[in-house]
Amino acid sequence: GAGVSQTPSNKVTEKGKYVELRCDPISGHTALYWYRQSLGQGPEFLIYFQGTGAADDSGLPNDRFFAVRPEGSVSTLKIQRTERGDSAVYLCASSLVGGYNEQFFGPGTRLTVL
Amino acid sequence: DQQVKQNSPSLSVQEGRISILNCDYTNSMFDYFLWYKKYPAEGPTFLISISSIKDKNEDGRFTVFLNKSAKHLSLHIVPSQPGDSAVYFCAASPGKNTGNQFYFGTGTSLTVIP
Repeated sequence: GAGVSQTPSNKVTEKGKYVELRCDPISGHTALYWYRQSLGQGPEFLIYFQGTGAADDSGLPNDRFFAVRPEGSVSTLKIQRTERGDSAVYLCASSLVGGYNEQFFGPGTRLTVL
Repeated sequence: DQQVKQNSPSLSVQEGRISILNCDYTNSMFDYFLWYKKYPAEGPTFLISISSIKDKNEDGRFTVFLNKSAKHLSLHIVPSQPGDSAVYFCAASPGKNTGNQFYFGTGTSLTVIP
């Protein structure tokens, strides 16, 4: 499979717990994006990586959210002290070089916080 | 603050007819626009884009029209096919040098009736 993959596909957790969501971008894509899609809404930008660095993290809602991409490939979105309002589908996308290049989306991770 | 709006949550069209999906935006700095298509349990897939220097872009059965003065764009699908049934999102970006955020609308669910 040459597409963007995300694991797990579904994650159910309890309020207050810590979760990690993983994204494997398309090989060779330097740009990686995280989005959050709540029910009935469009994807909402969270953070953008160019290589290993977070070039734009202005969409992260608060300091409970953090993302890393240590080797410029796989990225992990980390959510501390989860709240029920964090329940959403978390989408990852990658593109060849960022900017206006087409973003290829993964299938998403559905996070449910009970 | 929804900067990109899709006011029709759903649309039904007969096979072979034209589907017109609409999108309005509020930020006059947006200069690049995209349409994505999303099937259930999959990530959005890029469909077609248009930059603000154009007012029309065509790709096969899909045409996107941009009216900058009205801050409005539309996606035309002719002829519509049952396989086009999906949720369509429009997205906009404020410019290459102002970050890499894409702002998405809430989506329009298109059903093409055979």
